[in-house]
Amino acid sequence: GEDVEQSLFLSVREGDSSVINCTYTDSSSTYLYWYKQEPGAGLQLLTYIFSNMDMKQDQRLTVLLNKKDKHLSLRIADTQTGDSAIYFCAETLNYGQNFVFGPGTRLSVLP
Amino acid sequence: GAVVSQHPSRVICKSGTSVKIECRSLDFQATTMFWYRQFPKQSLMLMATSNEGSKATYEQGVEKDKFLINHASLTLSTLTVTSAHPEDSSFYICSAPFDRARTQYFGPGTRLLVL
Repeated sequence: GEDVEQSLFLSVREGDSSVINCTYTDSSSTYLYWYKQEPGAGLQLLTYIFSNMDMKQDQRLTVLLNKKDKHLSLRIADTQTGDSAIYFCAETLNYGQNFVFGPGTRLSVLP
Repeated sequence: GAVVSQHPSRVICKSGTSVKIECRSLDFQATTMFWYRQFPKQSLMLMATSNEGSKATYEQGVEKDKFLINHASLTLSTLTVTSAHPEDSSFYICSAPFDRARTQYFGPGTRLLVL
């Protein structure tokens, strides 16, 4: 199947770390992505990871990939109110011809 | 990173009229672009794949005569919602793949409201 799953909501306090989880089903996915969508806006690419990697760090963002369990996570350190948004994970199938999104996780950052 | 633009960003139209939405890759060429539709508080739904110089490929359940796609150049794809009805009101987003990873770069979206 081609389902990508995410929990729908996450609330954290400002300054804490946020961890957004995603599971995918296609083990042949070559790249996995995290996108951020703010209200009324398009999708902003945050980061992506190649399937032969298990971790990628970019400033406050850390992506962990567990290929065996088909599990992807995005950790945001020192979460700020500006991080409040919907976060989508996505995988590519068929050599980039298909792009499958998860349902999105709505992150709320509480003061 | 690559930049994709959309125009208009917001459009209101009367029922029965047609609306054209443009998607442009600003600093790269895209032989393929994708059109998505997003309902409130939902994920993106792929509508069709736009192919430069050839017919678009539509996803199951998407009416090709209703949503006309033209990809006449390597930097421009257009989506025309024909004879729009209130149920066509939605947020339409396009994307284009860039780099060897074929990372999708998204436009800012077009919000369509059909009265």
